[in-house]
Amino acid sequence: DGGITQSPKYLFRKEGQNVTLSCEQNLNHDAMYWYRQDPGQGLRLIYYSQIVNDFQKGDIAEGYSVSREKKESFPLTVTSAQKNPTAFYLCASSLRGQGIFPYGYTFGSGTRLTVV
Amino acid sequence: QKEVEQNSGPLSVPEGAIASLNCTYSDRGSQSFFWYRQYSGKSPELIMFIYSNGDKEDGRFTAQLNKASQYVSLLIRDSQPSDSATYLCAAPGFQKLVFGTGTRLLVSP
Repeated sequence: DGGITQSPKYLFRKEGQNVTLSCEQNLNHDAMYWYRQDPGQGLRLIYYSQIVNDFQKGDIAEGYSVSREKKESFPLTVTSAQKNPTAFYLCASSLRGQGIFPYGYTFGSGTRLTVV
Repeated sequence: QKEVEQNSGPLSVPEGAIASLNCTYSDRGSQSFFWYRQYSGKSPELIMFIYSNGDKEDGRFTAQLNKASQYVSLLIRDSQPSDSATYLCAAPGFQKLVFGTGTRLLVSP
């Protein structure tokens, strides 16, 4: 079955440490996205990518980095520069970059990151 | 900058009632809209999309789009406690979907 897989489900980060969240899709989708969600809040876009080897900053890119070396993969690194990284991180993909009707996004199950 | 606005709620309805969730948008050129449901601690899942004026029905769900008034709504008939979740409205922006902040729905038994 096609889908989008995020790992790990839970991640603990120590102060000053970089951590990488994995996102893999086998839907043959062109575009991939990373969102952050804080408790009781909406989705905030971190980075997105339309094609391999190209990506754009979203609304809250500071303290994060990404790569898109393969169509299937879009890992997110939370760097030590991100001062408040505790949040729920969601990866999504879509067949076309604008989420054009009727496809929308397919979301992964998320990674919950906690600073310890 | 396209904007999608939703009342954060919570919207409380008794079991069996009709829940009405609303969303307004700023871009008159928006042609299509998506409704996602997000249970607490889970990721959003697509439940409806609509691209033309009028109604679209899928089981207990009906999406309504009114382009003249720039709002889109989601009606849930015969609401069940299992419908309790946050509902996100989204519209296509440049290279990405623009999401509202979501409306929390609580259905009481």
